[in-house]
Amino acid sequence: DGGITQSPKYLFRKEGQNVTLSCEQNLNHDAMYWYRQDPGQGLRLIYYSQIVNDFQKGDIAEGYSVSREKKESFPLTVTSAQKNPTAFYLCASVSVTANYGYTFGSGTRLTVV
Amino acid sequence: QQQVKQSPQSLIVQKGGIPIINCAYENTAFDYFPWYQQFPGKGPALLIAIRPDVSEKKEGRFTISFNKSAKQFSLHIMDSQPGDSATYFCAASMNFGANNLFFGTGTRLTVIP
Repeated sequence: DGGITQSPKYLFRKEGQNVTLSCEQNLNHDAMYWYRQDPGQGLRLIYYSQIVNDFQKGDIAEGYSVSREKKESFPLTVTSAQKNPTAFYLCASVSVTANYGYTFGSGTRLTVV
Repeated sequence: QQQVKQSPQSLIVQKGGIPIINCAYENTAFDYFPWYQQFPGKGPALLIAIRPDVSEKKEGRFTISFNKSAKQFSLHIMDSQPGDSATYFCAASMNFGANNLFFGTGTRLTVIP
């Protein structure tokens, strides 16, 4: 089945530690996105990438970094510079030609311990 | 600046009622308006979408009404069921969904048995 996979489902980070969230898709989608969702809140865009080896900052990029070395993969690193990283992180992808809108992964819940 | 404004923030209806969620936008270049449904701990899933060349679209119990002149669109859920209890997000984009989506802030719907 085609889809978008996020791992791990739950992640715990210690203070001052960098952690990386994985996002892989086998939909042959061109563009990929990372969103942050806080309890009872909407979706805030962190980073997005429309082609391999290129990405742009979203609304809340500070404290985060990404890479897009392969079309299928768009990992997100939450760095120690992100002071309030506890949130639900969602990855999404879209085909720029198929007009079917976003497909979301099932999310990673990150908690600072 | 919120590109898409969504209301209400939360909504409680009795089973069988017809909850209505409203969204408004300013950018007349938007040409794709999807609705996403999100259950707790899950990623959003595309529910239904409309393009501005039609005023209404139905899929099962879900209907989008679109008013191009008023720059507003709404989601109606007919014969609502407890299983419809979820958070609903409206969104808008250009290029028929192939570009970045701008999300509303979400509506938490509760359907009481």
